[in-house]
Amino acid sequence: DQQVKQNSPSLSVQEGRISILNCDYTNSMFDYFLWYKKYPAEGPTFLISISSIKDKNEDGRFTVFLNKSAKHLSLHIVPSQPGDSAVYFCAASGYGSGNTGKLIFGQGTTLQVKP
Amino acid sequence: DAGITQSPRHKVTETGTPVTLRCHQTENHRYMYWYRQDPGHGLRLIHYSYGVKDTDKGEVSDGYSVSRSKTEDFLLTLESATSSQTSVYFCAISERGRGDGYTFGSGTRLTVV
Repeated sequence: DQQVKQNSPSLSVQEGRISILNCDYTNSMFDYFLWYKKYPAEGPTFLISISSIKDKNEDGRFTVFLNKSAKHLSLHIVPSQPGDSAVYFCAASGYGSGNTGKLIFGQGTTLQVKP
Repeated sequence: DAGITQSPRHKVTETGTPVTLRCHQTENHRYMYWYRQDPGHGLRLIHYSYGVKDTDKGEVSDGYSVSRSKTEDFLLTLESATSSQTSVYFCAISERGRGDGYTFGSGTRLTVV
């Protein structure tokens, strides 16, 4: 049972436009959410996170929105740049994992930003 | 300085042979994790460690074992490799565990033939 789902395997946007990546979760015990970015042949790198006590967190061009009632989060990238082309993973952790920080990842969305 | 390194980076092995992958960190972080990445599945947790000699299973632990005898090293062993274990394996570290982000290694691409 996939607890964290990224239903769009790929997304293509034009440089300068907004990229919106979506993520849904099923476990109401999740209270901390993260986005990672991954380039080919490299490990994922942390991008941005949000706690369940917030509904928005911004860091430069990246904003994550959390809708707890819908169990949905999204990552907005504005403006999109060709260097943003990568695979994006959302991840979640919650009370059920104790203090171990185990993260459950989605399947990933491949973003292509066209010049 | 990477802070976390995985070895080997690439390995081809035969079905039925044991394989050990190594994760080494220089950050003195308490928590270490092994994930595998497969198309359509994202990253799935194999095993994790919350201290020296303290380990537990993740969601896809069958066929794998781990050991952590020192803070800096976390070993993943495939006891008898199978073709279904062909994957890219990532190690990650975390300082505080819950509520913290991970730092990932560069990965090990393992092919079982």
